[in-house]
Amino acid sequence: DGGITQSPKYLFRKEGQNVTLSCEQNLNHDAMYWYRQDPGQGLRLIYYSQIVNDFQKGDIAEGYSVSREKKESFPLTVTSAQKNPTAFYLCASSIVTGGQPQHFGDGTRLSIL
Amino acid sequence: RKEVEQDPGPFNVPEGATVAFNCTYSNSASQSFFWYRQDCRKEPKLLMSVYSSGNEDGRFTAQLNRASQYISLLIRDSKLSDSATYLCVVRRTGNQFYFGTGTSLTVIP
Repeated sequence: DGGITQSPKYLFRKEGQNVTLSCEQNLNHDAMYWYRQDPGQGLRLIYYSQIVNDFQKGDIAEGYSVSREKKESFPLTVTSAQKNPTAFYLCASSIVTGGQPQHFGDGTRLSIL
Repeated sequence: RKEVEQDPGPFNVPEGATVAFNCTYSNSASQSFFWYRQDCRKEPKLLMSVYSSGNEDGRFTAQLNRASQYISLLIRDSKLSDSATYLCVVRRTGNQFYFGTGTSLTVIP
């Protein structure tokens, strides 16, 4: 079955540590996205990529970094510069043309130790 | 002004009731429209796309009014399993998606 796989499901970060969240898709989608969701709030865009080796900042990119070396993969690194990283992180993908919807992975919950 | 605005609710309705959610969007260049459902501590899942002529999927009906920049979702004969947060989502050119903050629905036995 095609889909988006995020790992790990739960992640704990120590102060001053960088952590990387994995996102892999086998839907052959060109566009991939990272969102952050805080309790009781909506989704906020961190980064997105429409093609391999290219990505753009979203609304809350500070303290995060991404790479897009392969079409299938769009890992997100939460750096030590992100002072409030505790949140639910969602990866999504979509076809670039045709006005199609996004598909989401099942998320990673990041907490501070 | 937010790109997409929804009434956050909460909506608490008895089983079997009909409930309607509304959503407005600010950019007239918006291309595609969707309703997603999000259960507590889970990822959003596509409920249905919204087409200009309106569309129905079982107990769910979606409507789009481009002139008023307004989208609606109607749920008939509510079930306990419909309890969730419903997200209004708008897609613009450039493959950008804009999310409402969601409307919370609880269906009461």
